Amino acid sequence: DTGVSQDPRHKITKRGQNVTFRCDPISEHNRLYWYRQTLGQGPEFLTYFQNEAQLEKSRLLSDRFSAERPKGSFSTLEIQRTEQGDSAMYLCASSPSVRDGPSYEQYFGPGTRLTVT
Amino acid sequence: AQSVTQPDIHITVSEGASLELRCNYSYGATPYLFWYVQSPGQGLQLLLKYFSGDTLVQGIKGFEAEFKRSQSSFNLRKPSVHWSDAAEYFCAVGASAGTALIFGKGTTLSVSS
Repeated sequence: DTGVSQDPRHKITKRGQNVTFRCDPISEHNRLYWYRQTLGQGPEFLTYFQNEAQLEKSRLLSDRFSAERPKGSFSTLEIQRTEQGDSAMYLCASSPSVRDGPSYEQYFGPGTRLTVT
Repeated sequence: AQSVTQPDIHITVSEGASLELRCNYSYGATPYLFWYVQSPGQGLQLLLKYFSGDTLVQGIKGFEAEFKRSQSSFNLRKPSVHWSDAAEYFCAVGASAGTALIFGKGTTLSVSS
């Protein structure tokens, strides 16, 4: 059973450029989460999906951020017009369903480190 | 609103010594509590979790944690630390299944020989 994978692992971009990250969850995990982690901080929630439906978005997710999960499998997170403050580790996690509903456990990928110069 | 406090930013422990990392949470109902570990360049690995029942929970790599409702705490312990335990440790709380986790700022553990 492979874990959550994220691509790319590192991204360096210039301010004002658009970037897109991909997350492949664990097979058959129907919930997928995006978090952002800055230096010296714990992960902060951005958004999550159940299958292809985006169920919740944090106020941290400005208009420049958009996330999709078109077929309920992999997800993409796009940041438009990047700013230096967007420099962070972007973490993806997935979670299975159990008999009575969603699981509490979230399994994290290795993250994509974004540096905006 | 939920919140998690990890009072210790950085702890250094001698190899073979015992370890306790503190975590305090703020949440009105029964929380769902987690400890994750993050090694440099790696994602977060789940060490253990508490949902209900026995307040002393066992996890992977020899870690355990005790839920104390009266103190709103969920401290992580290990009786004998190994050099490979050096990493960053995060406590997290969830309000309900399938929703976002709220993380503390983390405690960095260094292990001295």
